[in-house]
Amino acid sequence: GAGVSQSPRYKVAKRGQDVALRCDPISGHVSLFWYQQALGQGPEFLTYFQNEAQLDKSGLPSDRFFAERPEGSVSTLKIQRTQQEDSAVYLCASSLGTLNTEAFFGQGTRLTVV
Amino acid sequence: LAKTTQPISMDSYEGQEVNITCSHNNIATNDYITWYQQFPSQGPRFIIQGYKTKVTNEVASLFIPADRKSSTLSLPRVSLSDTAVYYCLVGASTTSGTYKYIFGTGTRLKVLA
Repeated sequence: GAGVSQSPRYKVAKRGQDVALRCDPISGHVSLFWYQQALGQGPEFLTYFQNEAQLDKSGLPSDRFFAERPEGSVSTLKIQRTQQEDSAVYLCASSLGTLNTEAFFGQGTRLTVV
Repeated sequence: LAKTTQPISMDSYEGQEVNITCSHNNIATNDYITWYQQFPSQGPRFIIQGYKTKVTNEVASLFIPADRKSSTLSLPRVSLSDTAVYYCLVGASTTSGTYKYIFGTGTRLKVLA
């Protein structure tokens, strides 16, 4: 596809359940970001990949959050033992270069933990 | 990392020019200024990016004074469909050579008929 694709678009999880969110970036894009957006707030940075290397994971809120991009393209954000405070929209973005290049965002995955 | 400050909300009427100012007092030498637009239930969409002076594209203009401590996004002749949240970002380079965009709370623009 032409844009960043995220799946699923919506996910309802019971508290304590593990979830996996997928991001298909634009082909050839080197950089990939994950953001978390709570209702009414701006996106909060979670983690950054350059190709397959996770160079920054300073925004991951706890060790229950794990992200990978094993072949430098598709990325998965995994949340273990989900809690209600994990409910948010998870946005993935990719960009062609590294510094100061336009980032293209997907539509996000809305996670609701019940 | 540089933090941005912008008005929480603005109202405008169709056909008017809208200017949204953002302050970024601690911007670093290598950092660019980028603006994104976000509609409900969608991811942010890139509008414009600049380093200094003035940048113009088909949808907006970006004015950056010489000291680069602020910037102004200008939307000419807004329409109802421009109602959205607008984010001013400073691309923050980290000491490890990576970078991240730090979003603030954004400006909620409401365009009235």
